[in-house]
Amino acid sequence: EPEVTQTPSHQVTQMGQEVILRCVPISNHLYFYWYRQILGQKVEFLVSFYNNEISEKSEIFDDQFSVERPDGSNFTLKIRSTKLEDSAMYFCASHTLPAKNIQYFGAGTRLSVL
Amino acid sequence: AQSVTQPDIHITVSEGASLELRCNYSYGATPYLFWYVQSPGQGLQLLLKYFSGDTLVQGIKGFEAEFKRSQSSFNLRKPSVHWSDAAEYFCAVGGDNDYKLSFGAGTTVTVRA
Repeated sequence: EPEVTQTPSHQVTQMGQEVILRCVPISNHLYFYWYRQILGQKVEFLVSFYNNEISEKSEIFDDQFSVERPDGSNFTLKIRSTKLEDSAMYFCASHTLPAKNIQYFGAGTRLSVL
Repeated sequence: AQSVTQPDIHITVSEGASLELRCNYSYGATPYLFWYVQSPGQGLQLLLKYFSGDTLVQGIKGFEAEFKRSQSSFNLRKPSVHWSDAAEYFCAVGGDNDYKLSFGAGTTVTVRA
């Protein structure tokens, strides 16, 4: 069964450093998402991406965050200057139509900012 | 604004016993409802979904859920749990023109022998 792949599974970084989280969505999918889950809290929507542009973003997704689909297969989330509060599990998801809104999720990247 | 409440943070159940996980949602239009399961080190796996029609939906691994519009609920059930059902379970809501999902806080299920 096709799956969404995320790398790395765990990323440790120093505060103020830039990180790039990588995702390979399912190949025929058209919509891409990033969500995050701070330890002990809800899974929160960050951003959706369709047709090579952001379709929606949450208040969390400020100027420190950016997304890109650089080569037609990867979907990346960049955090420009990490803060302690960016420590969380980051999930990538994707879906296609007309599968309605069934999103397929990756295993996540645990980001630890020290 | 859409939101999901899972009132139970942690449930412990004996193997072979029945399980019910509660989910209440708030959504301004017709909701699409989902249950996902996350085992340690794994991604979020879709258990079942409700879009329309029959309010009792069947999913994978023997799970079912019932949509009750009057109670804004979408509770998940399994008649007889197996040790492998120990995981965290998330209820989520989305919509036809609003693809992003809003998740509940999750319920951790522990299965004792």
